Amino acid sequence: QVQLVESGGGVVQPGRSLRLSCAASGFSFSGYAMHWVRQAPGKGLEWVAVISSDGSNEYYTDSVKGRFTISRDNSKNTLYLQMDSLRPEDTAMFYCARGSPSTASYFQYWGQGTLITVSS
Amino acid sequence: EIVLTQSPGTLSLSPGERATLSCRASQSVSSNYLAWYQQKPGQAPRLLIYGASNRATGIPDRFSGSGSGTDFTLTISRLEPEDFAVYYCQQYGGSPYTFGQGAKLEIK
Repeated sequence: QVQLVESGGGVVQPGRSLRLSCAASGFSFSGYAMHWVRQAPGKGLEWVAVISSDGSNEYYTDSVKGRFTISRDNSKNTLYLQMDSLRPEDTAMFYCARGSPSTASYFQYWGQGTLITVSS
Repeated sequence: EIVLTQSPGTLSLSPGERATLSCRASQSVSSNYLAWYQQKPGQAPRLLIYGASNRATGIPDRFSGSGSGTDFTLTISRLEPEDFAVYYCQQYGGSPYTFGQGAKLEIK
């Protein structure tokens, strides 16, 4: 069965960096676009970024452009999110989600999430 | 960026009743690439509907989606106790793949 397991969350000071990982199993990882979606405490869902199945294309929401970088290692079935220059407003639960072979997709499978708290 | 506006923000109904949730887009959603998700406290979202009207695998047939262009609807025909949750619409016709602000379905 499809499994997505995020890790790397924690408490970090404003301006610092953090890298999230999402380990995938149960499907052909290299055949699917992968996404990060976040949810601030008590708030709604916000799409963050997508990377194409072969890693050649990336798209971001405006609020993280230039600060976050999505990447993947298809040999390790792992998705990453490098987050630099973190701000308090980045505090959220971060979910990885499997898209379709196309970057334009709905999210059928989600991980359980990893919590990022940006605070001094 | 396509802005999705869900209404009502909160819907109070009783089990057995019919629920209708609306999602309006600020511009036409390409190819009706509109999905609906259910989220319960402490859980990841669950896909209900994709392509505006296609039920995801394992979703009961009391859930149905309809609409096109800028106006979409999620209908739950007869509410079960486990259906009380927050519901989100999402468009994936073009980046950024935006979500609505969410609609809470609560027990009356």
